[in-house]
Amino acid sequence: RKEVEQDPGPFNVPEGATVAFNCTYSNSASQSFFWYRQDCRKEPKLLMSVYSSGNEDGRFTAQLNRASQYISLLIRDSKLSDSATYLCVVNPPRTAGNKLTFGGGTRVLVKP
Amino acid sequence: GAVVSQHPSWVICKSGTSVKIECRSLDFQATTMFWYRQFPKQSLMLMATSNEGSKATYEQGVEKDKFLINHASLTLSTLTVTSAHPEDSSFYICSAASGTGTDTQYFGPGTRLTVL
Repeated sequence: RKEVEQDPGPFNVPEGATVAFNCTYSNSASQSFFWYRQDCRKEPKLLMSVYSSGNEDGRFTAQLNRASQYISLLIRDSKLSDSATYLCVVNPPRTAGNKLTFGGGTRVLVKP
Repeated sequence: GAVVSQHPSWVICKSGTSVKIECRSLDFQATTMFWYRQFPKQSLMLMATSNEGSKATYEQGVEKDKFLINHASLTLSTLTVTSAHPEDSSFYICSAASGTGTDTQYFGPGTRLTVL
């Protein structure tokens, strides 16, 4: 089983619609969770950290479910510029060092 | 946010040559830098972790004699791909963190290496 798993998509989303997708992680002792966004041929950019209580940043909402070991990302009122690959990133327990484990990414295509 | 640069942004080389990639933290001191590799349609895979002034820690399966990492200062780490082969063609990305206990990593823009 992969450490971090994502549905690769693509999720084809009409502009203005809502899209949500999950990411599962295998290490129950994982400490930190993030969503990164990666555009084609570019570096990943931090979209948001994911907190235990869930958090929202504008049109983006992230949730963490420790019991079921998954995190989710919801995008409301999708814009064309939201088209990208969204990477789920997990920081394993501190004993493993400050290493990030990346999921394979979920591709989102927002269409007019 | 913190800025990390990489140079060159792309490079094409002949098989058998060595290529050096630089990663710089421009506005903060990076105690730890990470080197990743990303093949097409795949996710980022950590190659090694480097701490300033000490030897890099390589991930399993990454040849340390082939991928030489030097982190001589708090703002610069270099990755040298020695005797490059076509299968080394990939997108190499570095990231930097300001402290060993800091979760946030700032990514460089990446270097696209093509080995002919």
